[in-house]
Amino acid sequence: GQQLNQSPQSMFIQEGEDVSMNCTSSSIFNTWLWYKQDPGEGPVLLIALYKAGELTSNGRLTAQFGITRKDSFLNISASIPSDVGIYFCAGPPQGGSEKLVFGKGTKLTVNP
Amino acid sequence: NAGVMQNPRHLVRRRGQEARLRCSPMKGHSHVYWYRQLPEEGLKFMVYLQKENIIDESGMPKERFSAEFPKEGPSILRIQQVVRGDSAAYFCASSPERVRDEKLFFGSGTQLSVL
Repeated sequence: GQQLNQSPQSMFIQEGEDVSMNCTSSSIFNTWLWYKQDPGEGPVLLIALYKAGELTSNGRLTAQFGITRKDSFLNISASIPSDVGIYFCAGPPQGGSEKLVFGKGTKLTVNP
Repeated sequence: NAGVMQNPRHLVRRRGQEARLRCSPMKGHSHVYWYRQLPEEGLKFMVYLQKENIIDESGMPKERFSAEFPKEGPSILRIQQVVRGDSAAYFCASSPERVRDEKLFFGSGTQLSVL
């Protein structure tokens, strides 16, 4: 089945730094979603991307839908301690589906 | 304006027992999805239900696992004769219609531990 590969697996940064993480697939996705999961909680949608090349922002977060449709990037600017958590990329497999495929996540730690 | 409610938050079972996980979707939502998350992994789709119907159960193990979403009451994910490998976080999500991504809301999950 379709898989999403996220990198890096984990990041340790200082408060105020910018963060960049990405998600790649061997097959095309027509929608890219970025979620954040806090410890002990369910994932919360941060950004949804629907069009190749699309660049979308949500506050300090910016995500891009890769031109090849096989990758996506999430950037966080001026990180703060509450950015700590696991960031997942996800998308519905080709052909349209209610089933979302998730990457394994990038774990972000922010040192104050 | 309650979100997706899952209970219990934590469930401990011994091998061979049954586990019942409940999910009450957001008000007005008639579509429910169950996902499983193993440690250090992403979420994996299990089953998609509408009221009284299983629409897609392709991600659910054929044996020991079952799900329902009755006309009244919460959706139930049932695991019979649990084994240690069933230990995971189980998340429920709901949507008001066939999923349009930003309308999919996840609950806080049930952490199942099998001793």
